[in-house]
Amino acid sequence: EIVLTQSPATLSLSPGERATLSCRASQSVSSYLAWYQHKPGQAPRLLIYDASNRATGVPARFSGSGYATDFTLTISSLEPEDFAVYYCQQRINLFTFGGGTKVEIK
Amino acid sequence: QIQLLQSGPEVKKPGTSVKVSCKASGFTFINSAVQWVRQARGQRLEWIGWIVVRSGNTKYAQKFQERVTMTRDMSASTATLELSSLGSEDTAIYYCAVYYYDDNDEYNDHWGQGTLVTVSS
Repeated sequence: EIVLTQSPATLSLSPGERATLSCRASQSVSSYLAWYQHKPGQAPRLLIYDASNRATGVPARFSGSGYATDFTLTISSLEPEDFAVYYCQQRINLFTFGGGTKVEIK
Repeated sequence: QIQLLQSGPEVKKPGTSVKVSCKASGFTFINSAVQWVRQARGQRLEWIGWIVVRSGNTKYAQKFQERVTMTRDMSASTATLELSSLGSEDTAIYYCAVYYYDDNDEYNDHWGQGTLVTVSS
């Protein structure tokens, strides 16, 4: 099973700041990596698929990069609605999720 | 309007089974794949498995391999998750999610509202 490790576990930032979230895979997943945003009481929302493609309707402030084992989700300037938990998910083999990064208001 | 409507909350005794259904509308169900994901309170998202609607092919996470079954009814545009030998650790919100490329070659990913399954004696 491919293990995804996300860091940091918690990111404390202010609105307008840049957020950089990391996801590391225990073995190569090529570009088969997605990022989800999850808020309490809601279903997860797809932000990025295939490592760097923004899903329909996702604001341009969200961007994804990386390949093989190291991936990054960047939020260029945090809006109030961006404070949530973010998960990466690999989709190359028996999908798995990372442990999540909580982006909280500082 | 694309919608995934999941069945209602369930309360089950340990050792029994549960079925959660997911009815799709607003898109071509046969061209999609359905993944099932759960989240226990305070825990991470956990992938259970997926089913390709057209072929019925399934892949399950190793953890659930022995006690999960995913099926689909194309005529009813419905996917179903069955989990057996329930224990308290299976108490969680269960989500279905579909993914597919539409006629404009755009990638789509849509989730149901979630179904709370509580396992308690």
